[in-house]
Amino acid sequence: SQTIHQWPATLVQPVGSPLSLECTVEGTSNPNLYWYRQAAGRGLQLLFYSVGIGQISSEVPQNLSASRPQDRQFILSSKKLLLSDSGFYLCAWSVGDRPPETQYFGPGTRLLVL
Amino acid sequence: AQKITQTQPGMFVQEKEAVTLDCTYDTSDPSYGLFWYKQPSSGEMIFLIYQGSYDQQNATEGRYSLNFQKARKSANLVISASQLGDSAMYFCAMRESGTNFGNEKLTFGTGTRLTIIP
Repeated sequence: SQTIHQWPATLVQPVGSPLSLECTVEGTSNPNLYWYRQAAGRGLQLLFYSVGIGQISSEVPQNLSASRPQDRQFILSSKKLLLSDSGFYLCAWSVGDRPPETQYFGPGTRLLVL
Repeated sequence: AQKITQTQPGMFVQEKEAVTLDCTYDTSDPSYGLFWYKQPSSGEMIFLIYQGSYDQQNATEGRYSLNFQKARKSANLVISASQLGDSAMYFCAMRESGTNFGNEKLTFGTGTRLTIIP
């Protein structure tokens, strides 16, 4: 069965510090990978999407970047965090050739920027 | 315009009663998919049920069913015999084809917080 891991689970960082959140998927090959952000009491906003190694699509311009160095690894980064980067970050995966292409989510990382 | 609208920010339901969570959507794409996710206090998004735009029958998964009314563009989630463990945020989401990212982009509603009362 497939599993998705995210770490760290929680993170408190000062403004201006760098960020690296990691997401890994097990039990599947060549998944589509996603990074979402959820502000407090809000729905999910898609940040980045990847269909393969080194292939990243950005949904909205922002202070963040994403990379996919391996097939089942997706990393969310920032060089300098802003207060507005605080939120709940969720990684998800799907298999594009398997209808209905449901996205399955990881446990998330709570980021607080002070 | 909002693509996914969930008009109920919060609901309180007595245990063992059925509950309907509303979701309306807006798309001009003839091929789309509708999803419901549950988010408990732990934060993880749990997939519940899916309905394709061409599916003839309403989707069902255990105690969950989706009341799909295509002409009205609504996809309400029905939970039968509610349990205390059903207390959570519930999100409706839509996948449209033909987006910049191919077929995978999901658009989420703002969610409904469901509280089951013992």
